[in-house]
Amino acid sequence: QVQLVQSGAEVKEPGASVKVSCKTSGYTFTSYYIHWVRQAPGQGLQWMGNINPVNGYTNYAQNFQGRVTVTRDTSTSTVYMELSSLTSEDTAVYYCARSYSGADGSDIWGQGTMVTVSS
Amino acid sequence: DIQMTQSPSSLSASVGDRVTITCRASQSITNYLNWYQHKLGKAPRLLIYGASSLQSGVPSRFSGSRSGTDFTLTISSLQPEDFATYYCQQSYSTPPTFGGGTKVEIK
Repeated sequence: QVQLVQSGAEVKEPGASVKVSCKTSGYTFTSYYIHWVRQAPGQGLQWMGNINPVNGYTNYAQNFQGRVTVTRDTSTSTVYMELSSLTSEDTAVYYCARSYSGADGSDIWGQGTMVTVSS
Repeated sequence: DIQMTQSPSSLSASVGDRVTITCRASQSITNYLNWYQHKLGKAPRLLIYGASSLQSGVPSRFSGSRSGTDFTLTISSLQPEDFATYYCQQSYSTPPTFGGGTKVEIK
């Protein structure tokens, strides 16, 4: 079946970087965009960026420009999200999700990865 | 960026009640409006896409509609498993922005 399986929880110190993976299976990897969305404690959903797996083209939210990098490995059907210069405000659950195009809703989501930033 | 204003931010309703959640876009997004259900500790679930199309596997008590830049999610008969937070999202332009969420509490 279609699945997005994310890497496990991370604890990072302020100023560090984190890289979260999203391994896809059960569908043609290049047929769907992958988005990254996060939810900080007590907050709503916040879109961070996406990637077109066909060509690797990315879009990022202005709030994260310069700090977030989304990449893909077509050989393993995996997408990565790296966030740098972490602060306590980056403590959140990070989700990957797929959509058929950049303008469609996201029908399949990963299970979420908790990232805690603490000294 | 397109702003999505969702209301109410929370509501309390009884099993069997009809529940309505609204979302207003700051500019035209045609029908590029999606609704998600999000339960604590789980991944969000797509309920409605294209303003009014029901995602496969979603119960028919959920429905969506559009009037201009105003969008509505309706739960026709609230069930205990519908306790969750609901989000609208526009996918008309990048970045695809979410509304602030509506927390639905079962009375």
